[in-house]
Amino acid sequence: GAGVSQSPSNKVTEKGKDVELRCDPISGHTALYWYRQSLGQGLEFLIYFQGNSAPDKSGLPSDRFSAERTGGSVSTLTIQRTQQEDSAVYLCASSLDSGQGAGEQYFGPGTRLTVT
Amino acid sequence: KQEVTQIPAALSVPEGENLVLNCSFTDSAIYNLQWFRQDPGKGLTSLLLIQSSQREQTSGRLNASLDKSSGRSTLYIAASQPGDSATYLCAVPEGGGSNYKLTFGKGTLLTVNP
Repeated sequence: GAGVSQSPSNKVTEKGKDVELRCDPISGHTALYWYRQSLGQGLEFLIYFQGNSAPDKSGLPSDRFSAERTGGSVSTLTIQRTQQEDSAVYLCASSLDSGQGAGEQYFGPGTRLTVT
Repeated sequence: KQEVTQIPAALSVPEGENLVLNCSFTDSAIYNLQWFRQDPGKGLTSLLLIQSSQREQTSGRLNASLDKSSGRSTLYIAASQPGDSATYLCAVPEGGGSNYKLTFGKGTLLTVNP
């Protein structure tokens, strides 16, 4: 079956603009995660979804970052008033949350965000 | 707070050599440990997942071991090939319940020379 997909693959935006990043998880995966990968920081957790709710938003770096998930499937990560330090690769992952295979995460190809 | 360390940061070997990548973690109360591969400009590909009750997992030329009590895992690659060149990352879940958010090491950049 299809893996995790993300769009766009690349996004260049001007400082101060808003951007939306999209993630389509593997069908049937109830857990969805967003991570950020930047040169100096490595891979960092941003937010976790269980179904449509987000019980763990502890990794979101500021209130300019928000995310939602609808229908237990597609998720959108929104960054408002982008800053140059937001430049990074944003990765989405999904997994089962119970039973055999629970917690094994499958990653999408990422969205490379460049803020100029 | 869980911390994951990978040694070495970079490794260059000739084709055909067997090699070992190391991963250590500070909190031994882990649910599982996952090894990933990342090619330049690409996402992460899951290589092996070891459950906390397991000592090792094998897939083809890859063998991953886990020693929870000492907080260590190794990834053994046999008969390395140029196509194995990539960054290898290990990660452990840190969340509890059904939240398996991952804490990653900074990776080992592997170059296999023909």
